Amino acid sequence: DTGVSQNPRHKITKRGQNVTFRCDPISEHNRLYWYRQTLGQGPEFLTYFQNEAQLEKSRLLSDRFSAERPKGSFSTLEIQRTEQGDSAMYLCASSLGRGASPLHFGNGTRLTVT
Amino acid sequence: AQSVTQLDSHVSVSEGTPVLLRCNYSSSYSPSLFWYVQHPNKGLQLLLKYTSAATLVKGINGFEAEFKKSETSFHLTKPSAHMSDAAEYFCVAYTGNQFYFGTGTSLTVIP
Repeated sequence: DTGVSQNPRHKITKRGQNVTFRCDPISEHNRLYWYRQTLGQGPEFLTYFQNEAQLEKSRLLSDRFSAERPKGSFSTLEIQRTEQGDSAMYLCASSLGRGASPLHFGNGTRLTVT
Repeated sequence: AQSVTQLDSHVSVSEGTPVLLRCNYSSSYSPSLFWYVQHPNKGLQLLLKYTSAATLVKGINGFEAEFKKSETSFHLTKPSAHMSDAAEYFCVAYTGNQFYFGTGTSLTVIP
């Protein structure tokens, strides 16, 4: 169990640029979740995958956000035309997806939009 | 709909004294419940989980939590706080393939 890995750890970008983050889940986990966390708040659900299928996406999620998990392994989260309000920690988590299997989190990608 | 309420946004204790972090959930049926800890600039780490077995759940680092259905509570406790326990703590409920997070409790440990 090498844990959930997220890259990059930090990303600074200018407003209007596109950014892409990667998440490598624990290998036998078939569920993968993306969350956003701002300072002093709990994680906010963005989307989740069961294998390669994106099963749910937050209604609050802008169309500028898209996520993929093409082969049911790693996942990418892309934000197009970034805005200053997108500055946050982006957390990825994976789980076995059986019943109430707990989430295992990566250390996150901190995005700063200037 | 599921919701999780962490009753204290900040808790401050002296090193060596007990810790109590309070969590209430609302659900028409008993969810699975978790406590996670988050240190600065890190992801969340699982402390313990309740999944309808024993109501008193023991976790890592000396933490434990008791599920009380009559009170819809799942409070986190530790007999003696250590400096390394200073962090943010999240109570989480799982129902219907979704995880519901509380807003977190920041624990400060005073030397």
